[in-house]
Amino acid sequence: QVQLVQSGAEVKKPGSSVKVSCKASGGTFSSYAISWVRQAPGQGLEWMGGIIPIFGTANYAQKFQGRVTITTDESTSTAYMELSSLRSEDTAVYYCARGLIQTYYDILTGYTRYWYFDLWGRGTLVTVSS
Amino acid sequence: EIVMTQSPATLSVSPGERATLSCRASQSVSSNLAWYQQKPGQAPRLLIYGASTRATGIPARFSGSGSGTEFTLTISSLQSEDFAVYYCQQYNNWPPSYTFGQGTKLEIK
Repeated sequence: QVQLVQSGAEVKKPGSSVKVSCKASGGTFSSYAISWVRQAPGQGLEWMGGIIPIFGTANYAQKFQGRVTITTDESTSTAYMELSSLRSEDTAVYYCARGLIQTYYDILTGYTRYWYFDLWGRGTLVTVSS
Repeated sequence: EIVMTQSPATLSVSPGERATLSCRASQSVSSNLAWYQQKPGQAPRLLIYGASTRATGIPARFSGSGSGTEFTLTISSLQSEDFAVYYCQQYNNWPPSYTFGQGTKLEIK
């Protein structure tokens, strides 16, 4: 049974960067997309971005454009999320989540791909504090 | 950005009763709508996808309905383990730009 195993908690200074990993234990990312979702203390869920590993191109929420980088290493079935220029508001639990890609083709618009999150990691707490 | 609005923010229901949670999208998301359950200190768990399809292992008391901009999650007979926070999420964009509702806390009355 596949599990998403995330790296451990981090404490970072404002202005620094953090890189969180997410390894698919017992399986691979084949046919799946990986997204990162964060949750500030006492708050709701916020999608940060996602990547389809076989394509390698990531898409990011506008709020995080320029500050977040999502990558994957298919050889180790590991995804990474790096967030830079950290500020106190970035203190949150960061989750990776797997999605089974649904692909549709329209002759006018080409391919579209959607996914929901069927498997989640347990989360990584990132604390930003001076 | 598609804004997802859930109501109510908090719902108080007695065990054994029915709970109805609502989710509205600021524009049509077709049936590309999922529901998640989150308990304190845990990751979210997928309940429903495609607006109405139960995920693997989800009890039949959970049902989803709707399409376009209006969606409902119904829990037919609340069990003690169902008291949690529920989120809706749309996944109707390509390239992806997914958004969640702010959540509904289901509490014991």
